[in-house]
Amino acid sequence: EVQLLESGGGLVQPGGSLRLSCAASGFTFSSYAMNWVRQAPGKGLEWVSSISYSGISTYYADSVKGRFTISSDHSKSTLYLQMNSLRAEDTAVYYCARGENLIAAQDYWGQGTLVTVSS
Amino acid sequence: DIVLTQSPGTLSLSPGERATLSCRASQSVRNNYLAWYQQKPGQAPRLLIYDASSRATGIPDRFSGSGSGTDFTLTISRLEPEDLAVYYCQQYGSSAGFTFGPGTKVDIK
Repeated sequence: EVQLLESGGGLVQPGGSLRLSCAASGFTFSSYAMNWVRQAPGKGLEWVSSISYSGISTYYADSVKGRFTISSDHSKSTLYLQMNSLRAEDTAVYYCARGENLIAAQDYWGQGTLVTVSS
Repeated sequence: DIVLTQSPGTLSLSPGERATLSCRASQSVRNNYLAWYQQKPGQAPRLLIYDASSRATGIPDRFSGSGSGTDFTLTISRLEPEDLAVYYCQQYGSSAGFTFGPGTKVDIK
C-alpha cells in the first residue's frame, strides 16, 4: 500500500526556518517524481515545488523561489522541503504528492502537515 | 502562466442528479494534461481524472472527464451523498509548473 507521511510542521516566527519531511513507503521511491502542494486555511491548492525521480531536476513556484529547497534521500525514501525566510503568507497545510514523472498528475497524497508563520 | 477558471463556484444538487463542472484554461493545455481532484472536508485531495479523460485507479465510472484545448468538463452522472466535496482542476503540461483552478464546491441537497 502506498503511503506518504508528512512531518515537521509547526509554529514558526516570520523570517524563521522549518524543514518538512515526507516518508514514503509501499513503492519504489527512486522511480517517481515527487511534489509539494500547499493549501492556506480556507483556500485552494497551490503547487510549491517538484523534484524528478533522479533528484537532479527541481522546480519551484515563483512565490517560494530562492527561499525553499526541495530534496530527496533515496536511501531513506524521504522527501524534504527546507523552508527559509518564512512569511505569514506561507501559512498552510503542506502536502507531499507522488507523480509518475514530472509531467503527470499526482496519484497519491499524504495527509498534510500544518505550517503556521506568526509572531 | 496558464490560468484555470472553474464554474460554477458552488453547485447544489440532489442525490441521483447529474453534476457538470467546467474548467477553462487561459491558453491551450499541452497534450490535454488536465486532471481533476476531489477534496472532501478535512481530507487530502484525491485524483479522479488524468489526461483529461482517464479515470484514476479505483474511481467509480459515474465520474467522467472530457474536453480538450482550453475547455474541460467533469461529469458526475448520478450524485451520491458522499460526493460532497470541492473539486479542483489542474494542468500539468506547462514547464512553469502546475496550476490549479479555484475549485467548485458540490453541495448535496
